[in-house]
Amino acid sequence: QPVLTQPPSVSAAPGQKVTISCSGSSSNIGNNYVSWFQQLPGTAPRLLIYDNNKRPSGIPDRFSGSKSGTSATLGITGLQTGDEADYYCGTWDRSLSTNWVFGGGTKLTVL
Amino acid sequence: QVHLVESGGGVVQPGGSLRLSCAASGLIFSSYAMHWVRQAPGKGLEWVAFIRHDGRTKHHADSVKGRFTISRDDSKSTLYLQMNGLRPEDTAVYYCAQGFSPVGEFANWGQGALVTVSS
Repeated sequence: QPVLTQPPSVSAAPGQKVTISCSGSSSNIGNNYVSWFQQLPGTAPRLLIYDNNKRPSGIPDRFSGSKSGTSATLGITGLQTGDEADYYCGTWDRSLSTNWVFGGGTKLTVL
Repeated sequence: QVHLVESGGGVVQPGGSLRLSCAASGLIFSSYAMHWVRQAPGKGLEWVAFIRHDGRTKHHADSVKGRFTISRDDSKSTLYLQMNGLRPEDTAVYYCAQGFSPVGEFANWGQGALVTVSS
């Protein structure tokens, strides 16, 4: 069972906006930066958001991130069919030991 | 441009061993921590191990602790994952990824290497 909780799936129409939530605890999200990753079918994951809300070079500003307390949210506006992918949140967890943890992943369907 | 290439995957029997390699280029390898992440067929991402840039600190997931060991050879710009006591549930695509950088963790990923544990 993943330490970080994400909805299994979300869907929206092209051009619309969608948000994906990521819920954790004080040992992970509450005290560490959150990253978000996109994994297109059959490919390796790609970093989308780091340090809660920053975008690496080359990531469109349609993608945004936020964090509040022990939860984080990924937002995608102006949905395109090419955004259909699995999305994962991740962060450090420093409870009993130091581990990186991922959410279970959210499948985005662009209807 | 950073390039990470995994190798060493294959089919192995339960209880067997395998060593994965990750050759890095386009970065000063010795300056960066590195990770291994795996993904079982049809499943989500699972973090496996981390090694600091100087090799002095290593962390392994509980699911592999005592069986897998992460290491690095900076002279070869190569990251390794020694996997012993393999189990069917270790079957997955294994990715190496760049550690802490100006854009945080996991800025760059390899294409993955498939490990299948089956009799």
